[in-house]
Amino acid sequence: KQEVTQIPAALSVPEGENLVLNCSFTDSAIYNLQWFRQDPGKGLTSLLLIQSSQREQTSGRLNASLDKSSGRSTLYIAASQPGDSATYLCAVRGGTYKYIFGTGTRLKVLA
Amino acid sequence: DAGVTQSPTHLIKTRGQQVTLRCSPKSGHDTVSWYQQALGQGPQFIFQYYEEEERQRGNFPDRFSGHQFPNYSSELNVNALLLGDSALYLCASSFGQGSLDEQYFGPGTRLTVT
Repeated sequence: KQEVTQIPAALSVPEGENLVLNCSFTDSAIYNLQWFRQDPGKGLTSLLLIQSSQREQTSGRLNASLDKSSGRSTLYIAASQPGDSATYLCAVRGGTYKYIFGTGTRLKVLA
Repeated sequence: DAGVTQSPTHLIKTRGQQVTLRCSPKSGHDTVSWYQQALGQGPQFIFQYYEEEERQRGNFPDRFSGHQFPNYSSELNVNALLLGDSALYLCASSFGQGSLDEQYFGPGTRLTVT
């Protein structure tokens, strides 16, 4: 049974800092992995999707990496801004059609 | 492009009642998935609809049922509501035949059961 863990659960950093969010999964037989952002009480915004054959994806200040063999993905945020404050969720799709989500990392960027 | 839309935004129901939530997928998408998100938790997969049929189901009781229409929009029905059904219900759409399978989420429906 696939389980997804995100550490840390919460993170508070000063503006401008580079930071790394972690996502671990127990079953390395994944189809793809997707990172999302969620603002309080809102839906999820897709940030990056990494297919199982890829090692990383980049979008602006965001970079996501995938290491299937170790069951890990990281989301790197460069030069953090207060507007980056949100909960970041990773989700893994295995051989079925459903995505398994972690519980998220709550990020607060202080001005 | 309207993106994924959901209605209603908020809903308050009483225990034992039934509720129907609605979702319209992003333009060009033919697959709809439903998730339940309790406060402070990650979304939990309920089921996915493709070609008007339930293609995959998560660990939810039969009180949770759904439907997909020919225009790819979808409904989630929950019968005999329990207090524990209070949550944010999220709809996600994707293109079912593509290898990318990127999920796009709607704003959600906040259901409160009293």
